[in-house]
Amino acid sequence: DQQVKQNSPSLSVQEGRISILNCDYTNSMFDYFLWYKKYPAEGPTFLISISSIKDKNEDGRFTVFLNKSAKHLSLHIVPSQPGDSAVYFCAARNSGTYKYIFGTGTRLKVLA
Amino acid sequence: DTAVSQTPKYLVTQMGNDKSIKCEQNLGHDTMYWYKQDSKKFLKIMFSYNNKELIINETVPNRFSPKSPDKAHLNLHINSLELGDSAVYFCAASTGLAPGELFFGEGSRLTVL
Repeated sequence: DQQVKQNSPSLSVQEGRISILNCDYTNSMFDYFLWYKKYPAEGPTFLISISSIKDKNEDGRFTVFLNKSAKHLSLHIVPSQPGDSAVYFCAARNSGTYKYIFGTGTRLKVLA
Repeated sequence: DTAVSQTPKYLVTQMGNDKSIKCEQNLGHDTMYWYKQDSKKFLKIMFSYNNKELIINETVPNRFSPKSPDKAHLNLHINSLELGDSAVYFCAASTGLAPGELFFGEGSRLTVL
């Protein structure tokens, strides 16, 4: 049972444009959400997070939006750069537990 | 200075062998994890320890045995390796129940022939 899903396995975007990565979850107990970026042969690295008490969090070029009623979050990257090309994972947890559940990942390719 | 370090980075072995992967974190965090990334690239949690105590065990075969000698170290021992164990194994650390990120190691790619 995949509680966190990223329905787009891949996405291609032109350099300078906006990249939008989407993530859906099924467990209404999740209250903390994170996005990770992963390059080949490296571990995932943390990008940005959001608590369920907020609907938006921004850090430089990265913005995460949370729609609790739709159980949906998205990561916006503006402007996209070739160095952003990587696999992006969303993750969720219930802050009463230790478990982080990861989505299936979206491979982003930013074209120069 | 790497926050979460794993050894070895690559491991190639025969079916039936026993192997171990070691993990160390210098973040001072209380909670450590093992995740498995399989051929479909899913990141699945296997185990978690908090202050040397096992707190998550996600229906992993008994051939997998984690050990945490202290809260900075979490090792993974795998007995009687099978072809399906081939994957990348990631160690991670977090502050525990407090909201925060998971810090990952670089991964250990295990190939079973």
